[in-house]
Amino acid sequence: DIQMTQSPSSLSASVGDRVTITCRASQGIDTYLNWYQHKPGKAPKLLIFAASSLQSGVPSRFIGSGSGTDFTLTISSLQPEDFASYFCQQSYTNTFTFGQGTKLEL
Amino acid sequence: QITLKESGPTLVKPTQTLTLTCTLSGLSLTTSGVGVVWIRQSPGKALEWLALIYWNDNKRYNPSLKSRLTITKDASRNQVVLTMTNMDPVDTATYYCAQSSPGSYYEPPWRADYWGQGTLVTVSS
Repeated sequence: DIQMTQSPSSLSASVGDRVTITCRASQGIDTYLNWYQHKPGKAPKLLIFAASSLQSGVPSRFIGSGSGTDFTLTISSLQPEDFASYFCQQSYTNTFTFGQGTKLEL
Repeated sequence: QITLKESGPTLVKPTQTLTLTCTLSGLSLTTSGVGVVWIRQSPGKALEWLALIYWNDNKRYNPSLKSRLTITKDASRNQVVLTMTNMDPVDTATYYCAQSSPGSYYEPPWRADYWGQGTLVTVSS
């Protein structure tokens, strides 16, 4: 299976900050990488697909980039509603795998 | 509005079979390209993809769990059912179902467009 390694596992930030989360694949996955946001007790939400494509309705402050093995999710200016967990997911192979998640805290 | 809701037991005993149901609203399972997956998250661990079924009944399973899993759909009820046999305490997790839209099928990469809130299943005697 392709291993997805996210960093950091947790991150403290303030409203208005620019933050970046990294996801590294154990082998090349082209741009078959998605990012999700998850708040406790809520359904996870798709933010970015194909490494950099913004899902409909997602604010433009969420920016995805990367290809091959290294990917980033950047939130350009944190808003109060952005404090949540974020995880990446690859679908390059038929066995989808996820990163372990990054908890973004105020 | 597309919503998914998981239902099933909250507690199962070791060796028992778990049956979970995912009920979809807002998008029919008969729509070309639609898929539904089951994913779980054990405490402190990463999410783990379990199984996927498409509108055309094409199915895929996580190889590490394939022998224990069965995924089926009931299009008339717009439901997807996952069964997992021989449950063990290590299977204690929150189980999610998620739906992939036709765009995901015809234009990779596959992605889970909509998720349910998840249901916690505890395996204990």
